[in-house]
Amino acid sequence: AQKITQTQPGMFVQEKEAVTLDCTYDTSDPSYGLFWYKQPSSGEMIFLIYQGSYDQQNATEGRYSLNFQKARKSANLVISASQLGDSAMYFCAMREGTSGTYKYIFGTGTRLKVLA
Amino acid sequence: GAGVSQTPSNKVTEKGKYVELRCDPISGHTALYWYRQSLGQGPEFLIYFQGTGAADDSGLPNDRFFAVRPEGSVSTLKIQRTERGDSAVYLCASSAHRGTDTQYFGPGTRLTVL
Repeated sequence: AQKITQTQPGMFVQEKEAVTLDCTYDTSDPSYGLFWYKQPSSGEMIFLIYQGSYDQQNATEGRYSLNFQKARKSANLVISASQLGDSAMYFCAMREGTSGTYKYIFGTGTRLKVLA
Repeated sequence: GAGVSQTPSNKVTEKGKYVELRCDPISGHTALYWYRQSLGQGPEFLIYFQGTGAADDSGLPNDRFFAVRPEGSVSTLKIQRTERGDSAVYLCASSAHRGTDTQYFGPGTRLTVL
């Protein structure tokens, strides 16, 4: 079964508008971490934001915020005031547990295009 | 400070050849990961090092793939008898002392097997 699901292959947003990128996850582990990464055409994965499963508040980092709904197992990324430089692939990832391998499981990504 | 670096950035080889991909993690990071990203997909885990030892190599697809990290810093991913299906971007990531710390990725090596 898919552990991380990103249902939006592509999204468009007008410059200066806000956009939400969807991510749902599946785990039976009570302790996990959720991450969002940006991958521009250059290929590097750029860390954006992290949410721990026990965190009471939604994570925020500048223009990025994570809408964490634990009961629904969703961790949507909200980008406010979109900029042309935000055009890229965005990946949601999960790390299960606090021991063991710490590997990340990634979704298939959403390609965001910001329109001028 | 310097991020994760990977060399070469691009590697083209012929089917059946041997290749080595290098990863230089962020200074002081003890955890190092290799992932493989095929076209249109998210990265997939290959192997995890904590220090010099491979703590988890469950993601390596077969015994043609091997990775080392002899001094606990630089790591080399080695692929023997390359196949066309090995063509992908190979990403390396490192994290600080604890495995639960955020992973920071390098720019990747694009491997093309002709």
